[in-house]
Amino acid sequence: GNSVTQMEGPVTLSEEAFLTINCTYTATGYPSLFWYVQYPGEGLQLLLKATKADDKGSNKGFEATYRKETTSFHLEKGSVQVSDSAVYFCALSDPRGQNFVFGPGTRLSVLP
Amino acid sequence: DVKVTQSSRYLVKRTGEKVFLECVQDMDHENMFWYRQDPGLGLRLIYFSYDVKMKEKGDIPEGYSVSREKKERFSLILESASTNQTSMYLCASSFVREPTDTQYFGPGTRLTVL
Repeated sequence: GNSVTQMEGPVTLSEEAFLTINCTYTATGYPSLFWYVQYPGEGLQLLLKATKADDKGSNKGFEATYRKETTSFHLEKGSVQVSDSAVYFCALSDPRGQNFVFGPGTRLSVLP
Repeated sequence: DVKVTQSSRYLVKRTGEKVFLECVQDMDHENMFWYRQDPGLGLRLIYFSYDVKMKEKGDIPEGYSVSREKKERFSLILESASTNQTSMYLCASSFVREPTDTQYFGPGTRLTVL
């Protein structure tokens, strides 16, 4: 079956540091890939997505590139802020969006 | 903006009680989902529905049932709550639209079963 693996947290960084959160997947066919973010006390929000190989999703300074050859979708940001502190989930879905699989989440804490 | 609302943010119930969690979306989405979120386990799918009166079991349906009588509303039912059902419950909805679609989440209901 489909699965998503992401790096264990928590990740603690200083403000303006570079962020990478690794995500790899196992899937049949050509899934779509997502990063969701969950701020404290809230539900999940879509951060970015990519629907085919070599697509780059980007939003709020975050980027991730769909790499089919390495089955990866790593999340990056060049300079994190305290307000980026949250839990980040990597996910994939089939094209109909009825088979979503989420990774376990990575908690990020950014210190001033 | 898409809006997914859940009936309660916090709920405390006793073992053996019947519990209803309600979810409403206002974007005419076909798909609706119920997840539970537990530390270290991420999100696990309980049930989903792709149309009115239709339902499919997810990864952990035991102890739960669902109801979808109207397109905008998807209810999760705990027939007899148990302490191991203490968790955060998240509802989500999405269109059925090629080539992909995005899930929109509600704020979650934190359920405690005593």
